[in-house]
Amino acid sequence: RKEVEQDPGPFNVPEGATVAFNCTYSNSASQSFFWYRQDCRKEPKLLMSVYSSGNEDGRFTAQLNRASQYISLLIRDSKLSDSATYLCVVNILPDYKLSFGAGTTVTVRA
Amino acid sequence: SQTIHQWPATLVQPVGSPLSLECTVEGTSNPNLYWYRQAAGRGLQLLFYSVGIGQISSEVPQNLSASRPQDRQFILSSKKLLLSDSGFYLCAWSGLKGLAGAPHPKDTQYFGPGTRLTVL
Repeated sequence: RKEVEQDPGPFNVPEGATVAFNCTYSNSASQSFFWYRQDCRKEPKLLMSVYSSGNEDGRFTAQLNRASQYISLLIRDSKLSDSATYLCVVNILPDYKLSFGAGTTVTVRA
Repeated sequence: SQTIHQWPATLVQPVGSPLSLECTVEGTSNPNLYWYRQAAGRGLQLLFYSVGIGQISSEVPQNLSASRPQDRQFILSSKKLLLSDSGFYLCAWSGLKGLAGAPHPKDTQYFGPGTRLTVL
């Protein structure tokens, strides 16, 4: 079983729509969770950390469900500029290195 | 603020040739440094990480090696490239130190612009 699994998509949504997707992780003792955004042929950039109580950053909301071992990302009022691949990242014990999912591709159309 | 540089941006090399990719970080001291490879359509694979000068941890057996000759410089090398070495190579840094030289549990990493390597 992969350490971090994501639905590759693509999720094709119109501007202004809401899109949400999940990521599952295998190590129940993982402590840190992140969403990174990667544009085509570019480096990943940190979008947001995911906290136990869930957190929001503008139009982006991240949730953590430790019992079911998944994290989610919701994007409200989608913009064309939100088109990207979203990488789910989890730290893997025992030495806390980061494990990256293969990414979920989101395409926002006009 | 911190800045991370990588070069070259793009590289085309024949099979069997040597490789040297360089990564430097500005605006911080004693960072943790990482080399990742991303194959097409796949997730990032951690290759090496370093918590200090001369300290290198290897994650995947391969024909690649890494060195950290200076605090903010990280180099990825190979003596003879294979076709399977093609990919997008990313250097990353983070600032949090954990116990016994391991990454910190709350470590957040920041990536350089990457080098796209094609081995022919």
